[in-house]
Amino acid sequence: GESVGLHLPTLSVQEGDNSIINCAYSNSASDYFIWYKQESGKGPQFIIDIRSNMDKRQGQRVTVLLNKTVKHLSLQIAATQPGDSAVYFCAENIAGNQFYFGTGTSLTVIP
Amino acid sequence: EPEVTQTPSHQVTQMGQEVILRCVPISNHLYFYWYRQILGQKVEFLVSFYNNEISEKSEIFDDQFSVERPDGSNFTLKIRSTKLEDSAMYFCASRTSGGETQYFGPGTRLLVL
Repeated sequence: GESVGLHLPTLSVQEGDNSIINCAYSNSASDYFIWYKQESGKGPQFIIDIRSNMDKRQGQRVTVLLNKTVKHLSLQIAATQPGDSAVYFCAENIAGNQFYFGTGTSLTVIP
Repeated sequence: EPEVTQTPSHQVTQMGQEVILRCVPISNHLYFYWYRQILGQKVEFLVSFYNNEISEKSEIFDDQFSVERPDGSNFTLKIRSTKLEDSAMYFCASRTSGGETQYFGPGTRLLVL
């Protein structure tokens, strides 16, 4: 049969509010995770990463939280701006080779 | 800031034709990757390449696909006989030997008619 596109989870936030984007990863052996941002028609852009021996990592306006017990990753964006509007993917990696991407969340920032 | 570049940005081809997608990874990177993203779907791994050989490939990367590093700067993906379902965005990525972060190029949008 014909394949159909995945329906992306969506999140709409007001400019200036904080955003939280969640991701469930699949492999308990994954030891490295990245959040990527993808704007329309562009390639994935690195935002922040975290290794499995950490629970939290902070960057500029972004924080990643890792809960290995439930295989859950979240991305927090502080003071969300219109330029943050994009699709956000989490990606998991085992032993440094290929990344497995999640389906993505579409973030829309309302001015 | 160095970045991965890809050419062409768009490619339209007839079913059954061969296409070559080109990538110039970041200059000091040694690991190279191809991913694809069918419209509206997740990014999928195709192949990784290190030290002039394939280190890992997915089920998608069948005999119609091949990769090559023809010189010190380019990294290519060849699709020998394109099918309609090969229509997708193709992303090249690269990383250093000591790092894990993969940096992606802007992609080539391939449309097979």
